[in-house]
Amino acid sequence: AQSVTQPDIHITVSEGASLELRCNYSYGATPYLFWYVQSPGQGLQLLLKYFSGDTLVQGIKGFEAEFKRSQSSFNLRKPSVHWSDAAEYFCAVGVQRGGSNYKLTFGKGTLLTVNP
Amino acid sequence: DVKVTQSSRYLVKRTGEKVFLECVQDMDHENMFWYRQDPGLGLRLIYFSYDVKMKEKGDIPEGYSVSREKKERFSLILESASTNQTSMYLCASSLGGLLGNEKLFFGSGTQLSVL
Repeated sequence: AQSVTQPDIHITVSEGASLELRCNYSYGATPYLFWYVQSPGQGLQLLLKYFSGDTLVQGIKGFEAEFKRSQSSFNLRKPSVHWSDAAEYFCAVGVQRGGSNYKLTFGKGTLLTVNP
Repeated sequence: DVKVTQSSRYLVKRTGEKVFLECVQDMDHENMFWYRQDPGLGLRLIYFSYDVKMKEKGDIPEGYSVSREKKERFSLILESASTNQTSMYLCASSLGGLLGNEKLFFGSGTQLSVL
């Protein structure tokens, strides 16, 4: 069965600093990988996804993530963090099971605090 | 924009009660999901559905059931609520098809407290 590990429960960065959120997955085949963000009081929103091709994917709000098969990782990065990026971030791995049938498993999340 | 509406934002129920959580989506999506979100545990899949009257167990289905009689509506049922089911419940929907093209749209959640 697939699984996702987000090693950092809580990260604090200063506004303008760079950011990297870690995500490691476990799955036997090529995974479908996602990052979602949950801002305070709001629903989850898709930031970006990877399923094939270029291992560096660009998402919304200036985020990017790099798929590294050798490390089973899909880390999320942003060069310069804004105060509005304070939120909880979830990495997810998906498994296609035929047709529209798939299963998406989420990590436990990383809470990002941004200091002024 | 896709709208996923959960009928209640906050709900307080007593142990042993039968609880219904309702979710409606307005974009003719094939797939619908119920997750629960607990601090430190992330999102855990309870049940999902790929078609009307079709359901499949997720990772933590015990104590729950679901109903999907119409395409736009997916209900989560707690047959006999217990205190360990106190949680934030999130409904999501997606168009369906290849996973690589998929994007889940989430509702704003129902915070259920079982006393």
